[in-house]
Amino acid sequence: EAQVTQNPRYLITVTGKKLTVTCSQNMNHEYMSWYRQDPGLGLRQIYYSMNVEVTDKGDVPEGYKVSRKEKRNFPLILESPSPNQTSLYFCASTPKDRGTDTQYFGPGTRLTVL
Amino acid sequence: QKEVEQDPGPLSVPEGAIVSLNCTYSNSAFQYFMWYRQYSRKGPELLMYTYSSGNKEDGRFTAQVDKSSKYISLFIRDSQPSDSATYLCAMSPGRGFKTIFGAGTRLFVKA
Repeated sequence: EAQVTQNPRYLITVTGKKLTVTCSQNMNHEYMSWYRQDPGLGLRQIYYSMNVEVTDKGDVPEGYKVSRKEKRNFPLILESPSPNQTSLYFCASTPKDRGTDTQYFGPGTRLTVL
Repeated sequence: QKEVEQDPGPLSVPEGAIVSLNCTYSNSAFQYFMWYRQYSRKGPELLMYTYSSGNKEDGRFTAQVDKSSKYISLFIRDSQPSDSATYLCAMSPGRGFKTIFGAGTRLFVKA
């Protein structure tokens, strides 16, 4: 089954404690992205990747890091989380092929930073 | 001024109505325009995308892009209660590039 998986689904942590949210896709997609969603602000892109070892900043990259060492994985790293990073996070993947009108989202990770 | 402006609504219409959802933008580098639908407590799903100007139709949904006015629209014909959701526009310079989203419009279709 084609899917994007994220782990953990829910996480409560404390300020300053490093954490990683994993994202994995099984569709061999080139493009992957991380988004956060906050009430009234819609979706905001954090980082995106167009292929292995190719990543770039999205709209709100401050306080986040990513890596793309393998095509299937795109982890989101919060080195020193702060309460303003409390949010709902989505990972997504998209094929490079412009003829394909699809984008797959993960189920979301709800993060609370105390 | 935000790069992408979208009226948050809510927009309430009777079943069967034609719905018009709109976004304006300021960055003329945007070439790739997307519409997403998000049901309550669910993740977003890509509804449609269009590249550059013009129209694209998919069933009851039509996406329009007017680059001269920096204005995009999503029309829903014969709206159904199952169309009740939040609709987000998004745009980028190209597929896979940095993407900016509107805040989303909440739509209610009443039976």
